[in-house]
Amino acid sequence: QVQLQESGPGLVKPSGTLSLTCAVSGGSISSSNWWSWVRQPPGKGLEWIGEIYHSGSTNYNPSLKSRVTISVDKSKNQFSLKLSSVTAADTAVYYCARRVLYDSSGYRFGGGQGTLVTVSS
Amino acid sequence: DIQMTQSPSSLSASVGDRVTITCQASQDISNYLNWYQQKPGKAPKLLIYDASNLETGVPSRFSGSGSGTDFTFTISSLQPEDIATYYCQQYDNLPPSATFGGGTKVEIK
Repeated sequence: QVQLQESGPGLVKPSGTLSLTCAVSGGSISSSNWWSWVRQPPGKGLEWIGEIYHSGSTNYNPSLKSRVTISVDKSKNQFSLKLSSVTAADTAVYYCARRVLYDSSGYRFGGGQGTLVTVSS
Repeated sequence: DIQMTQSPSSLSASVGDRVTITCQASQDISNYLNWYQQKPGKAPKLLIYDASNLETGVPSRFSGSGSGTDFTFTISSLQPEDIATYYCQQYDNLPPSATFGGGTKVEIK
């Protein structure tokens, strides 16, 4: 069973870059999955950030596209999120998830509880 | 961009009641509609994928229906462990992107 675990700094300064990593276990990053990031501001709903396939193809939320980069590290079996020029509005719990190619349009959040990132000076 | 309108935003029902949540897409999304359950402090859990398919291991009291723009999620007999917030989510292929509904908080009366 594929497990996903988010990690990264819990505090980022305004105008800085948020960087998170999602470690994949129980399966290969090179399998038929789109690897994804979703976030949730405290007390609010879910927002899709974007996704990457192991080939390097990416899809991003148009509202965040100018600030988001998602990448894959096959050697470490993990994928990463970078969000630049952050503001307090980017304070949220960040989750990683996967969408199985040709299986469903839904996302499976594999075991992690997400990581809270606070943007503050 | 496709917008998802989910209703109600909250509801209160008794154990054993039938609970229904709706989600409306701003344009035709075929059956690319999924339903999630989220409990406090936990990641969302996929319950129903592609409108009506029950995820493996999910109790059969959960079901989904619909296609095009109008979708329904049903709990046939509400149980205490079903207290959570439920979200719909659509996936659009052109261009590829996903959008979540605003959520429905389900409480026990």
